[in-house]
Amino acid sequence: DSGVTQTPKHLITATGQRVTLRCSPRSGDLSVYWYQQSLDQGLQFLIQYYNGEERAKGNILERFSAQQFPDLHSELNLSSLELGDSALYFCASSARGGLNTGELFFGEGSRLTVL
Amino acid sequence: AQSVTQLDSQVPVFEEAPVELRCNYSSSVSVYLFWYVQYPNQGLQLLLKYLSGSTLVKGINGFEAEFNKSQTSFHLRKPSVHISDTAEYFCATAYSGAGSYQLTFGKGTKLSVIP
Repeated sequence: DSGVTQTPKHLITATGQRVTLRCSPRSGDLSVYWYQQSLDQGLQFLIQYYNGEERAKGNILERFSAQQFPDLHSELNLSSLELGDSALYFCASSARGGLNTGELFFGEGSRLTVL
Repeated sequence: AQSVTQLDSQVPVFEEAPVELRCNYSSSVSVYLFWYVQYPNQGLQLLLKYLSGSTLVKGINGFEAEFNKSQTSFHLRKPSVHISDTAEYFCATAYSGAGSYQLTFGKGTKLSVIP
């Protein structure tokens, strides 16, 4: 158990819809990362938050947005969903925003299926 | 931009045989390298990391990796595999700067241990 909690574990929805994925980082971790894992693209970094502030952006679509709340949990919002958005979405956390020990702790992921 | 290339998408190996999973990196700045493992239906877990110092890095579950700067490689090895090592293995490099830090992953190598 990494200590990172993601909900829901599975989600099935239709094209054009909007979903919210939730992540609770390990206790005390200030930094949250979102990754997308798909068969064709592999693991892609989407976005990083540190103590409530956006710190880095990766290959995140404009239809996607995220935020980190004062209690440090984070939400990833996916809107106008397309078939190609079907993927496993991982949240990870680390103690600080910089390299530090270099380790990210991953949740078990939220599997999104868009029909 | 930093990147890693995993040369084999699938590696079958018999139980108790040695295994090497190959990873090459490209980077023009300081190199930080990692191997993560993903067991079926689970998130990623850190196996080992190279941040600096000794080029031979030992990790969990009997795995080790060697950082080779001249060959820009960070291959993962285990002298004798077990059925429980069946999983997908990801090589990753880290970018760190301006308070931001994220991992860039390779496409992954699926290790299948044959009884």
